[in-house]
Formats: sequence, C-alpha cells, structure tokens
Amino acid sequence: AQTVTQSQPEMSVQEAETVTLSCTYDTSENNYYLFWYKQPPSRQMILVIRQEAYKQQNATENRFSVNFQKAAKSFSLKISDSQLGDTAMYFCAFGRGTSYGKLTFGQGTILTVHP
Amino acid sequence: EAQVTQNPRYLITVTGKKLTVTCSQNMNHEYMSWYRQDPGLGLRQIYYSMNVEVTDKGDVPEGYKVSRKEKRNFPLILESPSPNQTSLYFCASSSGTGTSETQYFGPGTRLLVL
Repeated sequence: AQTVTQSQPEMSVQEAETVTLSCTYDTSENNYYLFWYKQPPSRQMILVIRQEAYKQQNATENRFSVNFQKAAKSFSLKISDSQLGDTAMYFCAFGRGTSYGKLTFGQGTILTVHP
Repeated sequence: EAQVTQNPRYLITVTGKKLTVTCSQNMNHEYMSWYRQDPGLGLRQIYYSMNVEVTDKGDVPEGYKVSRKEKRNFPLILESPSPNQTSLYFCASSSGTGTSETQYFGPGTRLLVL
C-alpha cells in the first residue's frame, strides 16, 4: 500500500516571500502520479499542480513549482511571491497509474500568508 | 460548466437515522468516488465506481453503501449513521483512464451525527 506523509502540520510565510511545503511518499510502483491540492476556507478542493513520475522535469504552474526527487520519494511544493489568497490547507496526493483515479492523500499542511 | 454537485452541503442527523448524500457530475465521466476528510488524516477513499453497476470498496468502506445506476449519479448511503461518521465528505469524478486524468471534486458535504 502507498503512504503519503506531510510532516509540517502548519507553515506561515510573509506576503511576497517564498515557502516550500514538504511531502514524502512510499511506494513500490514505477508508474504513478503526484499532485498538490489546495483547500481554501471554502473547503473546495483545487488542483494546484501534478507530476508524472516518468517525467524528470519538474512541473511548474505560474508561481507554483515542485521539486520531484524520485529516488528519495520526495515531492515538495514551492510557492513563490506568496499572496494572501494562497492561505489554505495544502494536500499532497499519490495516484497509481492504473488505479482509475484513486488518490492517497497526506495529512495536509495549513499555510498562512501574513500581510 | 463542468462540475460535480453534492447535496446536501450540510447535514445534522441522529444516530441510526438512514441518510443519503447525492452526487452528480455533468462531464460524462466513467470514474467516480467518495472520500471522507478528517483532521490529521487527510482524505481517505470510501468507495469508488469505474462505471455503471461497477463499484468497489476503498480504504474505509465500513458503514457505507453506494450505488451506480446511472453514469452521472453516485449516491452515498449511510444506513445507520454513527457519531464516528461525522466528517466532511467529497465526491470526485474523472474520465476513468487512470490518474493522468484530472479529478474533479464536489464542494463537500459536512455531516454531523449526534
């Protein structure tokens, strides 16, 4: 079975600064996907970024980028130029390539951006 | 607009009173699933369905039932709710070819069982 661990229950950052959220996972699979989801106070789950395990290049979406270290089974999220609207719970998630969409989630990290 | 809808959004009930949380998607997705979210545990999959009349257990299926009689609908049934089922519930759907497809989440249903 896969496990996903987010070791930082809470993080804070000043507006316009950069913050990195950590995620590690454990799997014996070779074909898988990794995701970061954002959950603002509205509780809506919003996909931030995803990474295919077979791609060596780190995924980037505007101010959000990942550092994917496959051998170390690490998948951190970097948020640059933090904005007040980035305040949310962030979940790291793992999906097997053949699991028809099942995701295994980490415990979540609450990020607070201070003005 | 592509979306997943859930009803009700908030529900307070008492132990043992059967309830159903509805989920509907308008994207013709094959794959649908239910998750529950609890503090410190993230989201855990309850049940999933790969298509009409095809359902299977996820990681925490005890106390829940599902059905998939139509492609767009995937209701979650609690036959005899208990306080440990107090949680935030999410329905999700994707096109079913694997996790390369984006999963769309509903807005969530907050359930309190007294």
